[in-house]
Amino acid sequence: GQQVMQIPQYQHVQEGEDFTTYCNSSTTLSNIQWYKQRPGGHPVFLIQLVKSGEVKKQKRLTFQFGEAKKNSSLHITATQTTDVGTYFCAGFRSGGTASKLTFGTGTRLQVTL
Amino acid sequence: NAGVTQTPKFQVLKTGQSMTLQCAQDMNHEYMSWYRQDPGMGLRLIHYSVGAGITDQGEVPNGYNVSRSTTEDFPLRLLSAAPSQTSVYFCASSPQGRHSPLHFGNGTRLTVT
Repeated sequence: GQQVMQIPQYQHVQEGEDFTTYCNSSTTLSNIQWYKQRPGGHPVFLIQLVKSGEVKKQKRLTFQFGEAKKNSSLHITATQTTDVGTYFCAGFRSGGTASKLTFGTGTRLQVTL
Repeated sequence: NAGVTQTPKFQVLKTGQSMTLQCAQDMNHEYMSWYRQDPGMGLRLIHYSVGAGITDQGEVPNGYNVSRSTTEDFPLRLLSAAPSQTSVYFCASSPQGRHSPLHFGNGTRLTVT
């Protein structure tokens, strides 16, 4: 079945350092979504990537979708304490009734001063 | 804007008890779903619905029932609670199905003793 792996599972950075999380799918995806979950909170949608090689930016966050549409990354420049949380990717594979959205296991980011 | 509302926020059950987790959305979304979140496992789909009167199973449906009598409501029923169902449960909706971004409720933290 479809698998979506995320690495690393956990990262601890000092404020101001950069952070990257990687998402790899066992199958080609139609799109990939990224979510952020603050401690004790619920997942909140950040962005969706659809095109091969697509790059999107949201302030300090840069999202990339691989050329083969099987991997993606989220890069945060100059982390802040407000970036603390778990970042999930979710890969969507279309296929009529076999369509499936699979969440990665998440990367927990801890930022300290 | 209420969005997706889940009740209760916390619940403790004894093994064998039954209960219903409530989920309501006011965004007129056709697609609704239930996920459970366990440490290190990411988000796993329990059941979903693409519209009133239509439900289907996700990855981990055993022990849970759902119904969708209206567009707004999508309750999740635990028929006979087991300790393995201790988890955080999230209801999520989207306007166009799993390929479009999900709006999550605040979650229900369930403990089964």
